[in-house]
Amino acid sequence: NAGVTQTPKFRVLKTGQSMTLLCAQDMNHEYMYWYRQDPGMGLRLIHYSVGEGTTAKGEVPDGYNVSRLKKQNFLLGLESAAPSQTSVYFCASRTSMNTEAFFGQGTRLTVV
Amino acid sequence: AQSVSQHNHHVILSEAASLELGCNYSYGGTVNLFWYVQYPGQHLQLLLKYFSGDPLVKGIKGFEAEFIKSKFSFNLRKPSVQWSDTAEYFCAVKSGILTGGGNKLTFGTGTQLKVEL
Repeated sequence: NAGVTQTPKFRVLKTGQSMTLLCAQDMNHEYMYWYRQDPGMGLRLIHYSVGEGTTAKGEVPDGYNVSRLKKQNFLLGLESAAPSQTSVYFCASRTSMNTEAFFGQGTRLTVV
Repeated sequence: AQSVSQHNHHVILSEAASLELGCNYSYGGTVNLFWYVQYPGQHLQLLLKYFSGDPLVKGIKGFEAEFIKSKFSFNLRKPSVQWSDTAEYFCAVKSGILTGGGNKLTFGTGTQLKVEL
């Protein structure tokens, strides 16, 4: 069982560059989430999706875009990376029932 | 909007000491409550969860938590910690409604636990 897989695991970007983080889950989950984790701030929700073709903003959506074209994939895009986006990014998914969320291994992104 | 507060940011204990980590949330309706653990360099893993029923919930590795609705609290406890419990612990809340904010899973800022030998 792969669970929730994030690609890539590490990335260094220059300011102004763009990139896409991929989250893939093989559990047929309806809900998917993107969080960023920063020291002392816990996990903050960037965007989330309640199903294929739908997305919604979380607490800190600015500077990010997302897409959910396929149920199993949730993409997080940075159009023009900034040093403030240096963080560890976690993807999570869960079913539509009352269940816990399952997390990916994280992507460590550094913007220089 | 729902919010989650974890008041202990850093806790240092000796092995065999008892642990209690506080978690308070702000949402007044039906909630689902979770404790996750993150070992160094790893992703978050579920320790325990509460949806309904017995407010005393037992999880993995000897952890338990008690849901006290009147206090909006879901504190994590362990009678005797081990060195291997060194990790960061996150409380999380999901409101019970299925639309709008009910789809969000909100985390506290985390508590870093260090267990010394």
